[in-house]
Amino acid sequence: GAVVSQHPSWVICKSGTSVKIECRSLDFQATTMFWYRQFPKQSLMLMATSNEGSKATYEQGVEKDKFLINHASLTLSTLTVTSAHPEDSSFYICSARVQGGNTIYFGEGSWLTVV
Amino acid sequence: GQNIDQPTEMTATEGAIVQINCTYQTSGFNGLFWYQQHAGEAPTFLSYNVLDGLEEKGRFSSFLSRSKGYSYLLLKELQMKDSASYLCAVRERDYKLSFGAGTTVTVRA
Repeated sequence: GAVVSQHPSWVICKSGTSVKIECRSLDFQATTMFWYRQFPKQSLMLMATSNEGSKATYEQGVEKDKFLINHASLTLSTLTVTSAHPEDSSFYICSARVQGGNTIYFGEGSWLTVV
Repeated sequence: GQNIDQPTEMTATEGAIVQINCTYQTSGFNGLFWYQQHAGEAPTFLSYNVLDGLEEKGRFSSFLSRSKGYSYLLLKELQMKDSASYLCAVRERDYKLSFGAGTTVTVRA
């Protein structure tokens, strides 16, 4: 079964609204989680690195005020897409690094459609 | 940053062998991953190489040459279910993964 759970799997929201995606590590603690975005037929693009108890580190070109990341516990990180627009429609995937180890697990992904 | 190159598409017949090459140019290197991704799903882990050489795991093998900035994923005894995108990813020193664009493998009967 999945060791990293993402919720929701699918979400449709109206343009201008905000939507929150959760990423939970199951059965392990993750001090570091990563958020990726993937457009159709393209590869995964890293958006930000989420560290428990501290501010996320965003990749160049990613608006931190638009994509709010919170990593409040060792098992949960959230990504909030604020004021969503149709161009934000994408597949968002998180991954989590096992605390103290090298293994990285991916979540199942979340499809966001902004209408 | 990372520059990771892999072929866009490959086609092979059921039962055959396919080799997917990946070359990379990086400022830092802490291992190379291969992932399989079916359309609309998240990537699943296939292999991880940090030292030079060949890692074999069932029908899948992965090779790494750090001096050449080169890796390949070898898929043997291809099955229809192996039709998917295969992603090469380089891990930087802070555990961030940089992905190649992916290679779409189509297995034909």
